[in-house]
Amino acid sequence: DAKTTQPNSMESNEEEPVHLPCNHSTISGTDYIHWYRQLPSQGPEYVIHGLTSNVNNRMASLAIAEDRKSSTLILHRATLRDAAVYYCILRTRGGSNYKLTFGKGTLLTVNP
Amino acid sequence: DAGVIQSPRHEVTEMGQEVTLRCKPISGHNSLFWYRQTMMRGLELLIYFNNNVPIDDSGMPEDRFSAKMPNASFSTLKIQPSEPRDSAVYFCASSLRLAGGYSKVLTFGAGSRLTVL
Repeated sequence: DAKTTQPNSMESNEEEPVHLPCNHSTISGTDYIHWYRQLPSQGPEYVIHGLTSNVNNRMASLAIAEDRKSSTLILHRATLRDAAVYYCILRTRGGSNYKLTFGKGTLLTVNP
Repeated sequence: DAGVIQSPRHEVTEMGQEVTLRCKPISGHNSLFWYRQTMMRGLELLIYFNNNVPIDDSGMPEDRFSAKMPNASFSTLKIQPSEPRDSAVYFCASSLRLAGGYSKVLTFGAGSRLTVL
């Protein structure tokens, strides 16, 4: 499986935007970029995913580099509830794409 | 929609005892996953079912672990006998796998925290 690299931790202030980076230099053409997050004492939850174009939903935005070797999850206005571990995961289309292989993720701390 | 329901939420047992964890997936989902999370190893996929059939059990650590899915609305993960190193949070997740082989996003349950003394 293609690997992703994320910072171990990041810190933000409430009401400010947060940009969470992810490097995936070995991404293949059939790999989708997925983001999940895990709030304290909860199971992971889906945030957003994309292939080539930038994506927006009610939770976040996903900015994908033109060469697809990196991406950034953007939380437009962080709240205390956004404090979580954020996982960037590559998921191939077809074949064994049922699998989500989680790395260590980025622990986001949001300061009041 | 109640989401993925797991029970028990917490289980404390003694080494050697049998442990059974239960999962009810989201209605209409045809794929079910069991994951385990520890501080040392993070989130690991243990087993994956599609249409109630085990497809990939390569993550099951050893014969002490077994999982079943007797119908589309229920799955169990059993550990017999349990050992202290099995202490972890066990998550069940479900999703919808389409006919073309594309799987939609996973929805996770709240987890079952197991402590084996």
